[in-house]
Amino acid sequence: ILNVEQSPQSLHVQEGDSTNFTCSFPSSNFYALHWYRWETAKSPEALFVMTLNGDEKKKGRISATLNTKEGYSYLYIKGSQPEDSATYLCAFVGDTGFQKLVFGTGTRLLVSP
Amino acid sequence: DTGVSQDPRHKITKRGQNVTFRCDPISEHNRLYWYRQTLGQGPEFLTYFQNEAQLEKSRLLSDRFSAERPKGSFSTLEIQRTEQGDSAMYLCASSLVVAGRQETQYFGPGTRLLVL
Repeated sequence: ILNVEQSPQSLHVQEGDSTNFTCSFPSSNFYALHWYRWETAKSPEALFVMTLNGDEKKKGRISATLNTKEGYSYLYIKGSQPEDSATYLCAFVGDTGFQKLVFGTGTRLLVSP
Repeated sequence: DTGVSQDPRHKITKRGQNVTFRCDPISEHNRLYWYRQTLGQGPEFLTYFQNEAQLEKSRLLSDRFSAERPKGSFSTLEIQRTEQGDSAMYLCASSLVVAGRQETQYFGPGTRLLVL
């Protein structure tokens, strides 16, 4: 059974704080790691697709790193804004031949003004 | 809007009734996925289609569940004889698979099902 874990489960920060979350996944049979942002009542939004060990990706104030050898990825948000409030999901893709996403349970972020 | 759409957004039904959900993917996408999210969990894979062919089904998908994608366009997910345990958010995603490239799956807003 594949186990993808995210921590913390929830986080409450003040506007302007920087924050980071962790996604842990199996280090064997790795193919890709996806990050999504899911705001209430909206569609999950794709943030990053990461495939190579040592990958670093950035989108505005959000960035992510990947370590496939030890099986973890970090998502960073610099200078959090209230509009960053959402659930952040990571999803592991193994080399099964088709690209099924195996999701963690998510980190719920609340940014207060 | 050219994103993935799902209908209905919310469905309340009584135990034992049948329900059907629809997903319209991004038009040029050849893969379509269904996922289910229950309270406190991340979304879990149910099934996927490559064009009109259903190629993989999760063990989560009991005999009461059936999915179709006629003509490789929209997809429907039907649940027969619903049970309270079927209450969940049902998500659809689509992607364009190009050989040698990691695909991004684009999600719809989901259909939230409540079985009373």
